[in-house]
Amino acid sequence: DAGVIQSPRHEVTEMGQEVTLRCKPISGHDYLFWYRQTMMRGLELLIYFNNNVPIDDSGMPEDRFSAKMPNASFSTLKIQPSEPRDSAVYFCASSLSPSVAAFFGQGTRLTVV
Amino acid sequence: GENVEQHPSTLSVQEGDSAVIKCTYSDSASNYFPWYKQELGKRPQLIIDIRSNVGEKKDQRIAVTLNKTAKHFSLHITETQPEDSAVYFCAAPSGYSTLTFGKGTMLLVSP
Repeated sequence: DAGVIQSPRHEVTEMGQEVTLRCKPISGHDYLFWYRQTMMRGLELLIYFNNNVPIDDSGMPEDRFSAKMPNASFSTLKIQPSEPRDSAVYFCASSLSPSVAAFFGQGTRLTVV
Repeated sequence: GENVEQHPSTLSVQEGDSAVIKCTYSDSASNYFPWYKQELGKRPQLIIDIRSNVGEKKDQRIAVTLNKTAKHFSLHITETQPEDSAVYFCAAPSGYSTLTFGKGTMLLVSP
């Protein structure tokens, strides 16, 4: 298995633009997580899915953020409109259960200017 | 929910020395404790984990110890090497909920 795959690896966008981050989890993993990492706040859980259903989105910072998982092999995290404070590394991770080790993708480094 | 405290935030050692990173957790029901290593510009990767039914687990130069009574667990790295330089994260679950991560420890191993 290639592991968790994220795209793009880097994204630079202007404030106000829509940004879509993509993730393909490890096959057979029923749980998918979206994290945001910054120096100030560390690793923050934004949302997680179980069998494609969003379970807990309490970490999503604002209504500008939305996430979907239309099938077991694909998820998106969308920011619309983007703001400079959204600049961070966004990681997708997947696991067999929510309370055991998750395997992380390589991340998307988002810069909003 | 779970609260995970990690110390120190930075740790500098000489090559060959040992390094110890400590974490405390708040939820006595937590039963699984992974440690992740994140090299600069890369993803966090699981390096070792321990379940609450054991007190210690070793894998070559790294080991993790768990004290359930005191609700703390530690990562031990012996004979450190420059390639051990990274940020290390501990984590703990809250019941059947998701993992809560510590703030991370930046380990710098000087040759």
